[in-house]
Formats: sequence, structure tokens, C-alpha cells
Amino acid sequence: QVQLVQSGGEVKKPGASVKVSCKASGYTFTSYGIYWVRQAPGQGLEWVGWISGSNGDTHYAQRLQGRVTVTTDTSTSTAYMELSSLRSDDTAVYYCARGHWGIDYWGQGTLVTVSS
Amino acid sequence: DVVMTQTPLSLSVTPGQPASISCKSSQSLLHSTGRTYLSWYLQKPGQPPQLLIYEVSNRFSGVPDRFSGSGSGTDFTLKISRVEAEDVGVYYCMQSIQLPYSFGQGTKLEIK
Repeated sequence: QVQLVQSGGEVKKPGASVKVSCKASGYTFTSYGIYWVRQAPGQGLEWVGWISGSNGDTHYAQRLQGRVTVTTDTSTSTAYMELSSLRSDDTAVYYCARGHWGIDYWGQGTLVTVSS
Repeated sequence: DVVMTQTPLSLSVTPGQPASISCKSSQSLLHSTGRTYLSWYLQKPGQPPQLLIYEVSNRFSGVPDRFSGSGSGTDFTLKISRVEAEDVGVYYCMQSIQLPYSFGQGTKLEIK
């Protein structure tokens, strides 16, 4: 069955960087894109970025442009989301998800807390 | 970017009664292929979202048939024919016709 298993929670200071991993299994990794979506405490879902599973094309949320990078390692079927220059309003649960013209499966989420 | 607007933002329903959520997009979600890229998700407390409906009206694997989706172009509806206690949570619509994908604000369903 399709599974997306994310790395554990992180606590970071303002200005630091965080890198979240997402290991996929149960399907051909290069046949689907990987999406990143975040959810601040008590808030709705916010688009972070996307990477193509086949050719590595990316797309990022405009408000995060320049601070977010999404990559994949096809040899291990793992996707990564790195966010730099962290601010307190980056505190959120970060989800990876799989899809092709939509999202079908989601990872369990990784809580990133930014606090001094 | 495509803006998604959901109504209502909260809903309180007696078990066994129907429920309906509306979602409107700022532009048509109909692709040149003829597919319409509108999905519905349910996020139960403390869990990631789970796919209920894709391409307007297709139930995802394992989704009970009391959930149905309809609509076209820019106006869409999710209906629950008979609400059950396990249906509580926040419902989101999402467009996937263009990047960045965008979500409605969410509709919180509670049981009376």
C-alpha cells in the first residue's frame, strides 16, 4: 500500500533552517509528484511547493520563494523540503503528499516549531 | 492564483440528517482534456487530510457512498446523505487545475 513516512518534529530558533524528509513506498516514486502543504496551529491548509517525480521540475509558493527548496532522491524514494531563515510564523505541521493532477495520499505530518 | 471559497464555515448536524457544503472557484476548473480538477478532503482531529472525492464526483477507494460530489465549472457541492458521528472534522475543497494548488478555508462539521 502507498505510504509516505515523514521525519520527526523539529524545534528551531528564528533564522535557522529545517529539512524535513518524506520516504515513499508502495508505488513507483518517479510516476507521481510530491507536494508539500503546511498547516499553522488552528488554521487551514497552505500550499508550500511541488516537485515532479519524473524530471525534478519544481513550483513554490510565492510568499516562500527564495526560502524553500524541495528535492528528491530517487535512489531512496525520498523527498525533502528545506525551509531557511525561519520565522515564528513558519511554525506549522508540514505535510508531504503524493499526486498527479491532484493529491491522493498524505504523510503523517511533521511539526516544525520556531521559537527563541 | 485560483481562489477557493467555501460555505458555510461551520455546520452542526443531527446524526442521520443530510449535510451540504459549497465550494466556488475564482476561475473554471475545467481542463482542456475535459476533466475538472476539484477534490474534497476530510481532516479528522489530529490527522492529515484524507481524500474523499476527486474530479468533482469520483469517490476515492474506501469512501462510503453517503458522500457524493457534484458541480461544474466554478460551482461545486459536497453532500453527505446521512451524517454519522465519524464524519466530524474539517472539510476542504481543493483545485488542482493549476499550480499552486489552493484550498478552501475549510468547513467544520460538528454533531448535534
